[in-house]
Amino acid sequence: AQSVTQLGSHVSVSEGALVLLRCNYSSSVPPYLFWYVQYPNQGLQLLLKYTSAATLVKGINGFEAEFKKSETSFHLTKPSAHMSDAAEYFCAVSDGYQKVTFGTGTKLQVIP
Amino acid sequence: DSGVTQTPKHLITATGQRVTLRCSPRSGDLSVYWYQQSLDQGLQFLIQYYNGEERAKGNILERFSAQQFPDLHSELNLSSLELGDSALYFCASSPSGQGDNGYTFGSGTRLTVV
Repeated sequence: AQSVTQLGSHVSVSEGALVLLRCNYSSSVPPYLFWYVQYPNQGLQLLLKYTSAATLVKGINGFEAEFKKSETSFHLTKPSAHMSDAAEYFCAVSDGYQKVTFGTGTKLQVIP
Repeated sequence: DSGVTQTPKHLITATGQRVTLRCSPRSGDLSVYWYQQSLDQGLQFLIQYYNGEERAKGNILERFSAQQFPDLHSELNLSSLELGDSALYFCASSPSGQGDNGYTFGSGTRLTVV
């Protein structure tokens, strides 16, 4: 069985501060991992994906995530938050055979 | 534009009615997935089709049904609508029936049941 746990349903950061959104996964085989972003009244957009090529994955809008097998984590980071980063972020996992399983989401608030 | 097209964007209907939501997947994608998103339930997987056949079922109510047509577009039918069915309904597509490539999402249909 595969699952993801996103720690913190709401995260607030100041503009210019580090963004850290936490995701832990469970998978019986090497996983495919994804981060999606959803802006208000829009669909989910793929930010980045891990497919075992490199443990540090760079995505769009300056976001990156690091795959840590020993910690079963795939946390999303961005060095400096912008107001435009305010959105909901979803971590997701797949074993490559089954459909993708999404986390419950983390809403990011950026305080000016 | 993600390449996944959903119509209509907004739908307002009365309780007890039936509606049909339509999705055209990204060109070349064979799999279609339907999700329901509401404030209290979050993102809920409803059903998956791959090349015209049902592949996986999630938390889909018996009042709901879906199908994928030979041209790969999909329709989600919601009947005997209740107030609690008000939500955003998303369609996503992927090249295969597996999860290795992730999904491409449409912009959703916002259903309001009054």
